[in-house]
Amino acid sequence: DIQMTQSPSSLSASVGDRVTITCRASRSISGYLNWYQQRPGKAPHLLIYTSFNLQSGVPSRFSGGGSGTYFTLTISSLQPEDLGTYYCQQSYSAPLTFGGGTKVEIK
Amino acid sequence: QVQLQQSGPGLVKPSQTLSLTCVISGDSVSSNSAAWNWVRQSPSRGLEWLGRTFYRSKWYSDYDPSVKSRMTITPDTSKNQFSLQMNSMTPEDTAVYFCARVIGGYTSGWFDSWGQGTLVTVSS
Repeated sequence: DIQMTQSPSSLSASVGDRVTITCRASRSISGYLNWYQQRPGKAPHLLIYTSFNLQSGVPSRFSGGGSGTYFTLTISSLQPEDLGTYYCQQSYSAPLTFGGGTKVEIK
Repeated sequence: QVQLQQSGPGLVKPSQTLSLTCVISGDSVSSNSAAWNWVRQSPSRGLEWLGRTFYRSKWYSDYDPSVKSRMTITPDTSKNQFSLQMNSMTPEDTAVYFCARVIGGYTSGWFDSWGQGTLVTVSS
């Protein structure tokens, strides 16, 4: 199985800050990396697919990048509604696997 | 707009079988461009992919090795839904269970639509 490791596990930032979350794969997954936001009590919500493609309806302050084993999710200007937990997920091979999550709090 | 509506019990006794159903609207379970998945989430194990079913000229299903021996995912084309059955449930299977659609390739794709989630507690 491909292991996905996210860092940090949590962060607290101010509105307007630039926030970056990283995700590392245990072996190369090319660009098959997706990002999700999950708010408490809700299902995950797709933000970015195949490393850098912005899902329709997702604000442009979200961006993704990377390939191989190292990926990033960046929020260019943190907004209050961005609080929640963010997960990366590899779709290179089954079994599909998720990172452990990064909890984002607003200062 | 795809919608997935889950149904099933919230409480299961140890050793019993869990059955959950996910009704699809806005797409077809027989779609050649989607895969239909079950994912669960618990505080101790995080998000776990359990398995999927998909149609590519014939039906396929595959599962995470950790649950493969006791899990079945079955499509129902007459009701446009798919179901999960997991037997020999233990308290470690306590989790929120989600159904979800993958598009963009059944392996290389992404989860773009999710059910509302069902909290399943395994307890006597």
